[in-house]
Amino acid sequence: QQQVKQSPQSLIVQKGGIPIINCAYENTAFDYFPWYQQFPGKGPALLIAIRPDVSEKKEGRFTISFNKSAKQFSLHIMDSQPGDSATYFCAARWSGKLIFGQGTTLQVKP
Amino acid sequence: NAGVTQTPKFRVLKTGQSMTLLCAQDMNHEYMYWYRQDPGMGLRLIHYSVGEGTTAKGEVPDGYNVSRLKKQNFLLGLESAAPSQTSVYFCASSSANRANVLTFGAGSRLTVL
Repeated sequence: QQQVKQSPQSLIVQKGGIPIINCAYENTAFDYFPWYQQFPGKGPALLIAIRPDVSEKKEGRFTISFNKSAKQFSLHIMDSQPGDSATYFCAARWSGKLIFGQGTTLQVKP
Repeated sequence: NAGVTQTPKFRVLKTGQSMTLLCAQDMNHEYMYWYRQDPGMGLRLIHYSVGEGTTAKGEVPDGYNVSRLKKQNFLLGLESAAPSQTSVYFCASSSANRANVLTFGAGSRLTVL
């Protein structure tokens, strides 16, 4: 299966909260797992990415946790801010192509 | 820096009409992609190109054709538009040595009545 399943579809948190977005996959040939962030009216932009030989990667307030045995990975946003309100897509690379998850719309309330 | 530019930004078509979406990038990227974005479906790859004169099918290629006559341009064509092709279309590009990092355009919203 070349699918990446993302949940939840939408998420509302208060400022300072820690939203968590989860993704799961079946294809063990996936070799790169990026997250993209999309603001309304804009194209997606690369946020952070991880390779399957690493269990965690942190860049600023954004952290990817990767569980290779469970074939799951997640995005955590520490100390979330209203400016983080956006749609987030996980993705996985297979045969040079990125397969995207369904997207999660995050709203961070002030 | 313009990055990836898509034209037009909005278009309304009637069923059966044809049209072409144009994508232009000024980063000298080798790879270019066309995705469509639909609610609850994420981004799905339509066609892609790894170089001038070469194209390949993605996940959802039916009803679309593409051409890459120049390195900087990637055209997406709809020969006979259908309501199921109502979507937001995104073009993206990446360099061969950083193929994992896609730069997206701002999107083209197409409505087929």
